[in-house]
Amino acid sequence: GAGVSQTPSNKVTEKGKYVELRCDPISGHTALYWYRQSLGQGPEFLIYFQGTGAADDSGLPNDRFFAVRPEGSVSTLKIQRTERGDSAVYLCASSPGRGRWNFGQGTRLTVV
Amino acid sequence: DAKTTQPTSMDCAEGRAANLPCNHSTISGNEYVYWYRQIHSQGPQYIIHGLKNNETNEMASLIITEDRKSSTLILPHATLRDTAVYYCIVSSFSGGYQKVTFGIGTKLQVIP
Repeated sequence: GAGVSQTPSNKVTEKGKYVELRCDPISGHTALYWYRQSLGQGPEFLIYFQGTGAADDSGLPNDRFFAVRPEGSVSTLKIQRTERGDSAVYLCASSPGRGRWNFGQGTRLTVV
Repeated sequence: DAKTTQPTSMDCAEGRAANLPCNHSTISGNEYVYWYRQIHSQGPQYIIHGLKNNETNEMASLIITEDRKSSTLILPHATLRDTAVYYCIVSSFSGGYQKVTFGIGTKLQVIP
């Protein structure tokens, strides 16, 4: 497909479990962003990748959150020991480096 | 990045022009104004962006005041499908990339 793809679209997990959220950016886009969106709020920045490296991870809330992009394309957001407060929609966006961002449809994470 | 101020919500009659204001009084000279919208349960969608001059594309027009402290997004003939949350963002390139901060946005309701 031509757009940013995120899988799964929905994830329900038990408190304390580990989850991985995947993002397939648009081919050739060097910049990749992860955002988190809680109900009624705008997207909140988590982390930015330029190529394979995390250029800015200042938005990650704590050390339970980690993201990788080993080959400079697909990225995985990893959350350890999930808590109910982690429930949100996790959005991924890619960009050619300047200008507009292309967002995926998001992964709705529910921690029960 | 500079902050923006938008009304929390607006209504617009179907077929009429929707004018969405945004204040960005602390915008700096190298910051662009971007507009995105988010339809329920979808990721944000790019609409338009500009630096100084007014811009128009197939979706909307962007009017930026001469002092660049405010702007207006115009949807010339609003339809029910334009009901969404509209985000006004100002952003520049810092450290080689754009870190985007979303606010709460304006919830536009198009009324039949």
